[in-house]
Amino acid sequence: EVQLVESGGGLVQPGGSLRLSCAASGFTFGTYWMSWVRQAPGKGLEWVANIRQGGSEKYYVDSVKGRFTISRDNAKNSLYLQMNSLRAEDTAVYYCASGANFDNWGQGTLVTVSS
Amino acid sequence: QSVLTQPPSASGTPGQRVTISCSGSSSNIGSNTVNWYQQLPGTAPKLLIYNNNQRPSGVPDRFSGSKSGTSASLAISGLQSEDEADYYCATWDDSLNGWVFGGGTKLTVL
Repeated sequence: EVQLVESGGGLVQPGGSLRLSCAASGFTFGTYWMSWVRQAPGKGLEWVANIRQGGSEKYYVDSVKGRFTISRDNAKNSLYLQMNSLRAEDTAVYYCASGANFDNWGQGTLVTVSS
Repeated sequence: QSVLTQPPSASGTPGQRVTISCSGSSSNIGSNTVNWYQQLPGTAPKLLIYNNNQRPSGVPDRFSGSKSGTSASLAISGLQSEDEADYYCATWDDSLNGWVFGGGTKLTVL
């Protein structure tokens, strides 16, 4: 059974940093695209970033370019999102998703950016 | 303002057939396949339809997808109370070089 478990969310002040992690199990992690998708409170889904199997290709939504970095450790079956220079508008539940079509999703971790 | 346009709400009675539309442009739906996601209240999204009209295993055949030009549709037949959820379309956008989602459609089963 595919399992994706996010962690690392919390309350952070504007301008601060946070690192999200996603622990994967139940599938061959290193053979799948992985993504981060977020959902602001009461709002719709927004794709944030994705990373190719080996980590050679990474894509980001414009609003996080230069501030967020997606990475993965295939030996640890883990996906990461380093978030710097956080803004109030980054407040959201962050989901990790596996596969080219966001085939499976974790339960999400809440990031709140507020002073 | 979402790149893909969906109606904010839809409704139907049990047993009815409802459709949800998703409108885009030549750089997204017109060039790439469309996926649909179902988000039940308080839960994570779930892949419902991929590659325009393919169902992952476990998804009932009451759910179907189609695409024509720069628009796509999700159809739900034999509507059930447990179908009450938010539905999102998504695809890759060649101009933005990223994934784009529709704004979501809240389906109410009357």
